[in-house]
Amino acid sequence: GAGVSQSPRYKVAKRGQDVALRCDPISGHVSLFWYQQALGQGPEFLTYFQNEAQLDKSGLPSDRFFAERPEGSVSTLKIQRTQQEDSAVYLCASSRDRVPTVSGNTIYFGEGSWLTVV
Amino acid sequence: SQQGEEDPQALSIQEGENATMNCSYKTSINNLQWYRQNSGRGLVHLILIRSNEREKHSGRLRVTLDTSKKSSSLLITASRAADTASYFCATAVQGGKLIFGQGTELSVKP
Repeated sequence: GAGVSQSPRYKVAKRGQDVALRCDPISGHVSLFWYQQALGQGPEFLTYFQNEAQLDKSGLPSDRFFAERPEGSVSTLKIQRTQQEDSAVYLCASSRDRVPTVSGNTIYFGEGSWLTVV
Repeated sequence: SQQGEEDPQALSIQEGENATMNCSYKTSINNLQWYRQNSGRGLVHLILIRSNEREKHSGRLRVTLDTSKKSSSLLITASRAADTASYFCATAVQGGKLIFGQGTELSVKP
């Protein structure tokens, strides 16, 4: 497809379960971002990749959160031992530029993966 | 934590009226962007204004930026029911990340 694709779209996990969320960015896009959006809130930055390099992971809330992009295209966000406070929408975004927040080139968002921890 | 605050949190208007949303932020920025999010969907980029610009137009959208007050506004003219959505400002700070505000929920009644 032409856009950023995320899977699964919806995930219900039992507390303590590990989850993996996948992001397929737009082909050829260099930058990839993960954001977390709680209900009724704005998205919060989690982490940022330039190709396969993870340049910023300052937003990851705990060491239970791990993201990777081993070949510089598809990315996976993994959450270990999920807790109820992890319930949120996880948004992936990509851009063709190395630093789109400076160049101003458009950042394209996926539809998100809705995680509910019960 | 989020950098910006948006005002109002919710706005309800009639079709044809103008909608104005405001955003304040705290630190130096490269640019400021506005996004739209329909319920249950992802974010769609609307417009970007650079830190050295004061006003920008795109169709029915008008964005202003006042870096001395660290604030921006988004005006949607001649609103339509299809404009119903949440609108977020996002500041582009050094290092590649976007910092989003809390959003304004706009409801346009036909």
